[in-house]
Amino acid sequence: ETGVTQSPTHLIKTRGQQVTLRCSSQSGHNTVSWYQQALGQGPQFIFQYYREEENGRGNFPPRFSGLQFPNYSSELNVNALELDDSALYLCASSAGTAGIEAFFGQGTRLTVV
Amino acid sequence: GQQLNQSPQSMFIQEGEDVSMNCTSSSIFNTWLWYKQDPGEGPVLLIALYKAGELTSNGRLTAQFGITRKDSFLNISASIPSDVGIYFCAGPRGGTASKLTFGTGTRLQVTL
Repeated sequence: ETGVTQSPTHLIKTRGQQVTLRCSSQSGHNTVSWYQQALGQGPQFIFQYYREEENGRGNFPPRFSGLQFPNYSSELNVNALELDDSALYLCASSAGTAGIEAFFGQGTRLTVV
Repeated sequence: GQQLNQSPQSMFIQEGEDVSMNCTSSSIFNTWLWYKQDPGEGPVLLIALYKAGELTSNGRLTAQFGITRKDSFLNISASIPSDVGIYFCAGPRGGTASKLTFGTGTRLQVTL
């Protein structure tokens, strides 16, 4: 077990709705990265938060947004959900932005219907 | 953008057999990582490679960083049922180690 926890574990939403996913980072880790993993594919980098600021973003539209709190936990928000947003959303925490040792949570399985 | 292609896509092997898989990139990486993902779980780091030509082992797993820095290989010796899962290679995006580009994955299934 990595110490990175995500909630909820499963979620079903309707197209057009908004969703918030949560991640608690491992103790001592100040960096959280979010990934989207579609069925049968590798994880795709969404963005990273470091010291409560966005620190890099992948090829995702602005309706994907995030927050990091002073305790380093993080939220991923997705507005105007589309069917293609159905995926496993993973967060990974690390001690700083240069660290290789990023620990992943178990993910949130989002289904958009 | 950076793309990592893994082969084979999937493989069925018998317990006790050795396994080889590889990962190729359209661009150079300075670090290669290998992860394993079990069903319903997040990826777990198996091996990290930092130098071209480097060969690193972790128990029955051995990985190599290709000389061209555009490929990497992972070998599993004497496979056991718990080796079942999806294996991903990954490299740092834009040189930043905590932001990763993942490969397409190799699904391994082991039969008794």
